[in-house]
Amino acid sequence: GAVVSQHPSWVICKSGTSVKIECRSLDFQATTMFWYRQFPKQSLMLMATSNEGSKATYEQGVEKDKFLINHASLTLSTLTVTSAHPEDSSFYICSATGGHSPLHFGNGTRLTVT
Amino acid sequence: QKEVEQNSGPLSVPEGAIASLNCTYSDRGSQSFFWYRQYSGKSPELIMSIYSNGDKEDGRFTAQLNKASQYVSLLIRDSQPSDSATYLCAVSPGGNEKLTFGTGTRLTIIP
Repeated sequence: GAVVSQHPSWVICKSGTSVKIECRSLDFQATTMFWYRQFPKQSLMLMATSNEGSKATYEQGVEKDKFLINHASLTLSTLTVTSAHPEDSSFYICSATGGHSPLHFGNGTRLTVT
Repeated sequence: QKEVEQNSGPLSVPEGAIASLNCTYSDRGSQSFFWYRQYSGKSPELIMSIYSNGDKEDGRFTAQLNKASQYVSLLIRDSQPSDSATYLCAVSPGGNEKLTFGTGTRLTIIP
């Protein structure tokens, strides 16, 4: 079945540094990728929607200059958390679809900012 | 504001019994409805999708949709300890457009 690979699965970084998270569709062309954030015991909150070759659409309240999203190819989208702070510590999950194909989730990235 | 509401639980069900999970949504324009299962520390996995009123069965799982009441439910028959997880209801205005998730219901199956 279709697989979405997310890397890294966990990362610890120091406050003020930047972290890049990759989301890859392994066996289908992902025309659209979604990035979610999930705090403990809360639901998934959509951060942004990215379409291949165009700028991401951010949800209200999500800082586009802090969470940089690049979807340069049909199989790869990246989320860069810039100048990370402890409050950015969360579980980041990507999902991908090829249009009519079901939505597939990556395994998530646990970010801890110290 | 578009919302998806679920009872947060926890919901405890004896092994072998039927677990019933409920979800209501506010956007009448919603067309696609999904149930995801999420184990602690893991990403969600799709259990069921339903698009039209009525019941849809897949193995031990049955999804029920009532668009007039803006209500979708998930029944799990013959509950197993491995069914213990958080179940997320998700709603979309179309097919694979962005999903709005409920807060999830934590289900515990008691052996």
